[in-house]
Order: sequence, then structure tokens, then C-alpha cells
Amino acid sequence: AQSVTQLGSHVSVSEGALVLLRCNYSSSVPPYLFWYVQYPNQGLQLLLKYTSAATLVKGINGFEAEFKKSETSFHLTKPSAHMSDAAEYFCAVSDRGNSGYSTLTFGKGTMLLVSP
Amino acid sequence: DGGITQSPKYLFRKEGQNVTLSCEQNLNHDAMYWYRQDPGQGLRLIYYSQIVNDFQKGDIAEGYSVSREKKESFPLTVTSAQKNPTAFYLCASRHSYSNQPQHFGDGTRLSIL
Repeated sequence: AQSVTQLGSHVSVSEGALVLLRCNYSSSVPPYLFWYVQYPNQGLQLLLKYTSAATLVKGINGFEAEFKKSETSFHLTKPSAHMSDAAEYFCAVSDRGNSGYSTLTFGKGTMLLVSP
Repeated sequence: DGGITQSPKYLFRKEGQNVTLSCEQNLNHDAMYWYRQDPGQGLRLIYYSQIVNDFQKGDIAEGYSVSREKKESFPLTVTSAQKNPTAFYLCASRHSYSNQPQHFGDGTRLSIL
């Protein structure tokens, strides 16, 4: 069974500082990996995805993530935080089994707080 | 614009009542999903469906039921057997390839009166 661990339920940064949200996965084979963002009382919006092409993936809103197989990690970064980045972030992993029945497993989320 | 529509946005249930949450998509996606979200617990899979007239239980299916009579629609019924139904419910869909992301609706918040 695959699993996702997001270290830190809350991360606080100052506006303009580096954002680093951690995600480690457990999977018997290299998985597909996703980062989503959720604003209050809304659904999840895809930030970026890793599907075995380039290990450094660029997403929307200036975010990027690097797939490191040796560390089983897919950490999300942004060089300079903006107030509008304050939201909850979810890492998710998809198996590579029978594509007709694959599902996503989500981490428990990390709330990003941005102070002026 | 293509997307996923969940209705209603807010729903209130009395004890012993069944309620049905609507989810409609016009993305021509084959697969659809229902998740439950509770604070600090992330998203937990309730049911999913890959094709019409077929669906599978997720991790927390007890007290819930679904149907998939049309490709565009995947309603979720929260039955009276679900003892703690207060939560935020999210519907998602995607093409049936495991490298494709899921697209989400804006959710329905269910509360008990």
C-alpha cells in the first residue's frame, strides 16, 4: 500500500521568504505525484504533477517541486512567498497499477501561513 | 467552461434523515470520486467509479451509497447509518489514466441540525 507523509501540519513564513513544504511517499514502484492547493471552503486546485519526465517540475503561481527517488521525496518550493499563497497544500500519490482502477492517496495537508 | 459542479454548497440534515449530494461534470471524464474532508485528516476516499453502472468502495464507505447511471453524474447519499456525517464533501473526476490529475468541485458542507 502506498502512503504520503507531509511533515508539519502548519508552516509559517514571512512575505518574500522561501517556502518549503515537505512530502515523502512510500511506494513499491516509482509513482505519479501531485501537489494541490486548497483555499477556504473551496475545492482542490492542481499546482503541479510529476509523471516520470523531468525530475524538477514547474507549476502554477511560481511553485516547483523536485522528485528525488533516493529520498522518496517530492518537496514543494517557492522562492518568495506572497500573501496570496496562504492556503492548505496537499501532496498526493497515484499508483501505476491497472489504470482503470488507480486512486490517489493524499497526505494530511500543510497549512501555509504568510505574515507581512 | 468545463468543470465539476457540486450542489448544494451547504446542506443541513436532521437526525435519521438521508441526504443526497449532487456532483455533475462536463469534462467527459470516465472516472469520478467522492472524498470526505475533516480538519487535520486530509481527504479520505468514500467511493469511486471508473465507468457507468460500476463503482467501488473506498476507505470509508460505511454509511454512504452512490449510483452512476450517467457518465456526467455521480450522486452521493449520506444515509442515517452514517453516525458522524458532519464534514466537507468533495467530488472529483479525471480521465482513466493513472498519470492524469483529478479535477475537483467546490465541495458541499454538510451539518447536522
